[in-house]
Amino acid sequence: AIQLTQSPSSLSASIGDRVTITCRASQGISSSLAWYHQKLGKPPKLLIYDASILESGVPSRFSGSGSGTDFTLTISSLQPEDFATYYCQQFTSYPYTFGQGTKVEIK
Amino acid sequence: QVQLVESGGGVVQPGRSLRLSCAASGLTLSNHGMHWVRQAPGQGLEWVALISSDGSLEYYADSVKGRFTISRDISKNTLYLQMNSLSAEDTAVYFCAKDYGGLDYWGQGTLVTVSS
Repeated sequence: AIQLTQSPSSLSASIGDRVTITCRASQGISSSLAWYHQKLGKPPKLLIYDASILESGVPSRFSGSGSGTDFTLTISSLQPEDFATYYCQQFTSYPYTFGQGTKVEIK
Repeated sequence: QVQLVESGGGVVQPGRSLRLSCAASGLTLSNHGMHWVRQAPGQGLEWVALISSDGSLEYYADSVKGRFTISRDISKNTLYLQMNSLSAEDTAVYFCAKDYGGLDYWGQGTLVTVSS
């Protein structure tokens, strides 16, 4: 199974900060990667798919990049509603594994 | 408006079975691949299973292969997850989700607790 490793596991940031989360795959996955965020007690929400395509309705402060084994999710200016846990997921081969998550907390 | 509503969760003894349902509205299951994803208490997301849009293909996580079966009833527009030989490690909130590159629509989840 393809393993996805996110870094950092958690971070503290302030409103307005630029935040970057990385996701590294154990083998190449082309651009078959999605990003989600999840708030406590809620289902995950799709942010980015195909590594860099912004899901409809998602604010433009979110962006994704990368291909192969290294991927990045960037939040250009952190907003209060962005404090959540972020997950990447690969769609290249079964099982469709998730990263372990990155918790973004208020500094 | 797409809506996915899971049901069927509850407390079940180890070794027993349970069937989860995911009722879909605002979309036709025969047009979409559908997934089950679970989340153990306080833990991250774990992909569980996928059924293809035409219903001919099924894929499973190694942790559930041979014990869980994903299926659907097109006439009821409902997705299922039959879970057999349950153990404490299967305790989690189970979500159904629609496939679209990523998983773009999710239900609210149903909690399965495996405990004696």
